[in-house]
Amino acid sequence: DAKTTQPPSMDCAEGRAANLPCNHSTISGNEYVYWYRQIHSQGPQYIIHGLKNNETNEMASLIITEDRKSSTLILPHATLRDTAVYYCIVRDPAGGTSYGKLTFGQGTILTVHP
Amino acid sequence: NAGVTQTPKFQVLKTGQSMTLQCAQDMNHNSMYWYRQDPGMGLRLIYYSASEGTTDKGEVPNGYNVSRLNKREFSLRLESAAPSQTSVYFCASSEVPSGTGGYTFGSGTRLTVV
Repeated sequence: DAKTTQPPSMDCAEGRAANLPCNHSTISGNEYVYWYRQIHSQGPQYIIHGLKNNETNEMASLIITEDRKSSTLILPHATLRDTAVYYCIVRDPAGGTSYGKLTFGQGTILTVHP
Repeated sequence: NAGVTQTPKFQVLKTGQSMTLQCAQDMNHNSMYWYRQDPGMGLRLIYYSASEGTTDKGEVPNGYNVSRLNKREFSLRLESAAPSQTSVYFCASSEVPSGTGGYTFGSGTRLTVV
């Protein structure tokens, strides 16, 4: 799986949009971009994923650049409960060797302030 | 809507004791997984079950056994606990083994072996 680079920490004011960047310059054509988060003392939580196109769900939006070398996770209206470590992962879900494999890097600690 | 439920939440064992960690999901997912998470080591896959009736080793299977009891339940057994197995254990499930749509995690079992 391709390596990802994320800023170690970010701050955001409650109610504002949180934009979390991720670089994945060595991504290959079959690899998807996934975002998970982990709130302190809880299990990881899947947020969103995408291959080429921008994606949106009830939790967030994912913007992937045209060259696919970077992406941004957007939490449109951050709340205090969004304070967590956010992980950007690049993986190819096809093939048996990928089953269950989630390589979390250091992630970005997002702190949402009142 | 419980998702993935793990029991117990906390456990202290003496070296050499055995125990079984229980996991159940109510999302009708086909695939289930066991991970351990240690500080600085990220998330490591212990065993997985791609579908009911099958189990396979992950990255760190030594010292563990698993049972896919039915489609809902996937248990992890430590036959003779060692201090090196002190960790936080997460169970997860996914609709398909590739996890294309993301993995759903339980809240974890914090195990200490003394």
